[in-house]
Amino acid sequence: ETGVTQSPTHLIKTRGQQVTLRCSSQSGHNTVSWYQQALGQGPQFIFQYYREEENGRGNFPPRFSGLQFPNYSSELNVNALELDDSALYLCASSLMLDSGNTIYFGEGSWLTVV
Amino acid sequence: SQQGEEDPQALSIQEGENATMNCSYKTSINNLQWYRQNSGRGLVHLILIRSNEREKHSGRLRVTLDTSKKSSSLLITASRAADTASYFCATVTNAGKSTFGDGTTLTVKP
Repeated sequence: ETGVTQSPTHLIKTRGQQVTLRCSSQSGHNTVSWYQQALGQGPQFIFQYYREEENGRGNFPPRFSGLQFPNYSSELNVNALELDDSALYLCASSLMLDSGNTIYFGEGSWLTVV
Repeated sequence: SQQGEEDPQALSIQEGENATMNCSYKTSINNLQWYRQNSGRGLVHLILIRSNEREKHSGRLRVTLDTSKKSSSLLITASRAADTASYFCATVTNAGKSTFGDGTTLTVKP
């Protein structure tokens, strides 16, 4: 158990729809990152939030957006879903005292776009 | 391309044998972390090695880091069937950004 929980665990959406994925960080962690993992590939960095501000973004279009709340929980929103958005979405939390901290992952949310 | 790239892509060994996986990266790092992922599950943190460290041990795991070659290796000794999983390395920059490779799929046959 990493203390990072994600919901929902599985969901199916139709192309063009919007989706919101949620993540509760490990207690005391102030940094959350989101990753997309397609089948057979490694996690791809989407973005990171530190104290409610975006703190870095990977190579994802603006229709991928996020929020971090005062309790450090987080949401990932994806608009105008495309078939290629089908993947495992992973949330990870860490404590940004310095960058030498362990990153803890949740079990992920499986998104299927049909 | 990915910052961290694991090698080999797939590895199949017998129970009891040692398994070695390698990771190469391109830019400066603060630390490098190894993770395990069972099929369809989240990533489990195995070990973190900082850029000023050369070797670290944790149980049956041994990780080395050579910053001059920008490479790391993960050795699993006396492998067990339960070690069957995908293994990923993640490089973390001084700004706290992490980048993963595409992993090594390890199969340990009983």
